[in-house]
Amino acid sequence: DQQVKQNSPSLSVQEGRISILNCDYTNSMFDYFLWYKKYPAEGPTFLISISSIKDKNEDGRFTVFLNKSAKHLSLHIVPSQPGDSAVYFCAASAKGLDEKLTFGTGTRLTIIP
Amino acid sequence: DVKVTQSSRYLVKRTGEKVFLECVQDMDHENMFWYRQDPGLGLRLIYFSYDVKMKEKGDIPEGYSVSREKKERFSLILESASTNQTSMYLCASSLYLANEQFFGPGTRLTVL
Repeated sequence: DQQVKQNSPSLSVQEGRISILNCDYTNSMFDYFLWYKKYPAEGPTFLISISSIKDKNEDGRFTVFLNKSAKHLSLHIVPSQPGDSAVYFCAASAKGLDEKLTFGTGTRLTIIP
Repeated sequence: DVKVTQSSRYLVKRTGEKVFLECVQDMDHENMFWYRQDPGLGLRLIYFSYDVKMKEKGDIPEGYSVSREKKERFSLILESASTNQTSMYLCASSLYLANEQFFGPGTRLTVL
């Protein structure tokens, strides 16, 4: 049972435009959400996180939005740059229960110059 | 700077061989994890450890075992490698189970 889902395996966006990556979850106990970025032949690196007490968190060009009622989060990258081309994983955990992260299947983002 | 290192970046083994993948972290983290990444399947958890000598099965433990004799070191063992274990193997560590995990660079294992 996939508790964290990324329904788009791939996404292509023009350089300079906005990239929006989506993630849905089913476990209502999840209260902490993260995005990771992964380049080929490298390990994933942490990008940004959000706690369930917030609905938005921003860090430079990256913003994560959380819609708890819809059990949906999204990552916005503005403006998109060629170096943003990578696989993006969302992850979630029940921090209050100290349960480990559950990862989505990833979305491959390609930025077109 | 926090660091998770893995013993090899690339490894080629023959079917039936015993394979050891080693992971070391320098952050004094309690928790360590082994994942494999395959196209379209994301990161799948093989095993994790929340303390020295303690281990828990993840989602796909079959064909693998682990060892954690020291806090900083977590080994993944393929007792008898098979071609379907060709994959990218990623080690990670975290201070608390629910917190962000720090990943190593990965080992690309090919089993012929």
